Amino acid sequence: AQSVTQLGSHVSVSEGALVLLRCNYSSSVPPYLFWYVQYPNQGLQLLLKYTTGATLVKGINGFEAEFKKSETSFHLTKPSAHMSDAAEYFCVLYTGFQKLVFGTGTRLLVSP
Amino acid sequence: ETGVTQSPTHLIKTRGQQVTLRCSSQSGHNTVSWYQQALGQGPQFIFQYYREEENGRGNFPPRFSGLQFPNYSSELNVNALELDDSALYLCASSLGGPTSGSKNIQYFGAGTRLSVL
Repeated sequence: AQSVTQLGSHVSVSEGALVLLRCNYSSSVPPYLFWYVQYPNQGLQLLLKYTTGATLVKGINGFEAEFKKSETSFHLTKPSAHMSDAAEYFCVLYTGFQKLVFGTGTRLLVSP
Repeated sequence: ETGVTQSPTHLIKTRGQQVTLRCSSQSGHNTVSWYQQALGQGPQFIFQYYREEENGRGNFPPRFSGLQFPNYSSELNVNALELDDSALYLCASSLGGPTSGSKNIQYFGAGTRLSVL
């Protein structure tokens, strides 16, 4: 079965600290992977996507993710957290026919 | 360019009632997908419409149905509401058909929060 697992429902960091949100996937075919962010009372916004090619993917707002096939991982990182980064983050797997499978989400908390 | 808009933003219904949620696609998009996001969970795929035809369905019962109109706007209908239907319902639009692959990004609306009492 195709699925994604996000490790940690909540991650707390201080402003300026490294952000690391973990995601592992299971897929029987080469995966297409995404990270979406959800701010309160707003729709989901695409942060970045991996399809093929370069395994280090850069996204908006200084986020990036690295696809590691050997580890079946697609962790999201940002070198320095900002208060505005506080939100819910979803790792997403594309399963074909435009169907997306979402992880359970990780809430990022940023303290001053 | 207008984004994806959903209405209403909040809705309260009682068990057994029927509900209709509406979605206006982003300009130029011909595909609409609906997702259910229960509290504390990730969104779950309900179904997708492409050019007014259902194009894939998740693990939801037939009382969840939908429509897509010629202008590509869409409705999600839920009959015989149950308490577990309480959730945030998200609509996403994209450009492309079944074989377009992940090249076509899905753009999400802010959702309709449905409470079933």
